[in-house]
Amino acid sequence: EAQVTQNPRYLITVTGKKLTVTCSQNMNHEYMSWYRQDPGLGLRQIYYSMNVEVTDKGDVPEGYKVSRKEKRNFPLILESPSPNQTSLYFCASRPYFGSPVNEQFFGPGTRLTVL
Amino acid sequence: QKEVEQNSGPLSVPEGAIASLNCTYSDRGSQSFFWYRQYSGKSPELIMSIYSNGDKEDGRFTAQLNKASQYVSLLIRDSQPSDSATYLCAVNPGPDTGFQKLVFGTGTRLLVSP
Repeated sequence: EAQVTQNPRYLITVTGKKLTVTCSQNMNHEYMSWYRQDPGLGLRQIYYSMNVEVTDKGDVPEGYKVSRKEKRNFPLILESPSPNQTSLYFCASRPYFGSPVNEQFFGPGTRLTVL
Repeated sequence: QKEVEQNSGPLSVPEGAIASLNCTYSDRGSQSFFWYRQYSGKSPELIMSIYSNGDKEDGRFTAQLNKASQYVSLLIRDSQPSDSATYLCAVNPGPDTGFQKLVFGTGTRLLVSP
């Protein structure tokens, strides 16, 4: 089954404790991205990656890091989480940079709470 | 001014009625327009896309686009309780950004009562 998986699905942590949210897709997609979703602000792109070792900032990259060492994986790293990073996070993938939106798959989401 | 604006709702309609969801966007060069349905705590699901002025129908859903007014809407006919969700409007801002960029509205919550 074609899918994007994220782990963990739920996480409660404390300020300053480094964490990683993993994202993996089994569709051989080149393009992957991370979004956060907050009430009243909608979905906002954090980072995206057009291919292995190619990443770039989205609209709200501050406080986050990403890496793309393998095609299937695109982890989101919070080196020193703060309460304003409490949010619902979605990973998404598409076949390639220019592929249409209807070929985009979203992961199931990770609800992160930073105390 | 937000790039994509939606009324947050909730929009309450009785079962069987037509639900009308609206979205306005600020970038006049926007090329592509999408509606997503999102159940609480779940990921967004693409339900409609529209690229040219006019109406596009798919089952009970009709998307309407008016580029001159910078307005896109979604009509849901014969609304069902299972349609109760948040509906996100998303816009591809224009050719300069390529297909990688999607700007989302904050969503309109729809409640369909039995």
